[in-house]
Amino acid sequence: DIVMTQSPDSLAVSLGERATINCKSSQTVLYSANNKNYLAWYQQKPGQPPKLLIYWASARESGVPDRFSGSGSGTDFTLTISSLQAEDVAVYYCQQYYSISAITFGQGTRLEIK
Amino acid sequence: EVQLVESGGGLVQPGGSLRLSCAASGFTVSDHYMDWVRQAPGKGLEWVGRTRNKANSYTTEYAASVKGRFTISRDDSKSSLYLQMNSLKTEDTAVYYCVRASGTATGTFDYWGQGTLVTVSS
Repeated sequence: DIVMTQSPDSLAVSLGERATINCKSSQTVLYSANNKNYLAWYQQKPGQPPKLLIYWASARESGVPDRFSGSGSGTDFTLTISSLQAEDVAVYYCQQYYSISAITFGQGTRLEIK
Repeated sequence: EVQLVESGGGLVQPGGSLRLSCAASGFTVSDHYMDWVRQAPGKGLEWVGRTRNKANSYTTEYAASVKGRFTISRDDSKSSLYLQMNSLKTEDTAVYYCVRASGTATGTFDYWGQGTLVTVSS
């Protein structure tokens, strides 16, 4: 299975500042035939199910604020929150769907307010 | 409005069985792959398995950790998804989420239920 490793495990950022979460896959999730990265990001707030934020590594799901952006290719990816808001406190997960028969998630990154 | 509502969770002894249900509404269920994802208490997310849509013959796939013990089925006439869990182990204790695979990026999950808790304990 493709192993997804996120860093850091937890992060504290001041309101209005930038938050950056990294995700590394054990093998490429870039499919050369269509040049798409099979990488998604989710946000999970306490007591709630996860919410899809980003797919194809950088495409924002409908309704997701534009302060959330995704970047990267191949094996290294980043989720950036440009200006942290109080409602962004959550655990964030990356997910690969390149191996669609063995979908895997990162271990999660806990984001808090400094 | 898309809704997914799970039911059937509870306490079961190791080696026992349980059947989860998911009632879907607000979309054409037969158009979508449907998956189950679980989350052990205080832990991360683990994909359990999927049933593909009608166009792909409702084929199923499973994570290695549950293959041979869990069975996913669906009844599109009832807009329902099921997870039959047999030979349950303590490590199967988790909140089980019914999820809809996105039509834009199959393999991602654009709608999630609130989850149902399964506790495997003696």
